[in-house]
Amino acid sequence: QQPVQSPQAVILREGEDAVINCSSSKALYSVHWYRQKHGEAPVFLMILLKGGEQKGHEKISASFNEKKQQSSLYLTASQLSYSGTYFCGTATSGTYKYIFGTGTRLKVLA
Amino acid sequence: GAVVSQHPSWVICKSGTSVKIECRSLDFQATTMFWYRQFPKQSLMLMATSNEGSKATYEQGVEKDKFLINHASLTLSTLTVTSAHPEDSSFYICSAPGSGNPYNEQFFGPGTRLTVL
Repeated sequence: QQPVQSPQAVILREGEDAVINCSSSKALYSVHWYRQKHGEAPVFLMILLKGGEQKGHEKISASFNEKKQQSSLYLTASQLSYSGTYFCGTATSGTYKYIFGTGTRLKVLA
Repeated sequence: GAVVSQHPSWVICKSGTSVKIECRSLDFQATTMFWYRQFPKQSLMLMATSNEGSKATYEQGVEKDKFLINHASLTLSTLTVTSAHPEDSSFYICSAPGSGNPYNEQFFGPGTRLTVL
């Protein structure tokens, strides 16, 4: 079953912050985050492995709580270039397949 | 980083014809590749897992006889859409895990946009 992301869509002004959540009904081994621009393939942002780790680079960070089977992506001081659709990608423990969340459309306005 | 290519990047075909899409890992070996389909404003839906040297594993609801997958070498997987119909028009993307298992980073092809008239 596909992980559920929230919110489905969000509109921000440049400089504002946003949080995108990814929740799975199955145990997760890892969570990846991607951003996709219209008509293009997803672009990898970061990977979080089991162990409750947090990661970040520049103004984008993420956390992974494997007990809750949830991950969150944090975008701070958003820029116009952050616009796109964000997906979490997950590999569930014990299976050998990789599926995407439902997606969150984010638009940053000047 | 690892590179995955897809060919063609777009294709337009008539209803009833078959279309082959290639997915290649250019600088690494991929025993497993994943095929996804994405309709407008929707998420990427896993269609099948392609395994080198063995049969592909299809997701529920994906017709095996319609979407033929062949993973003949460690760097090439092909998806053939047989007897394509307008409802098969979509964006098809392949991916391969760089380390050989799906828990680590996936590398994506640029995608193939299929339009069936």
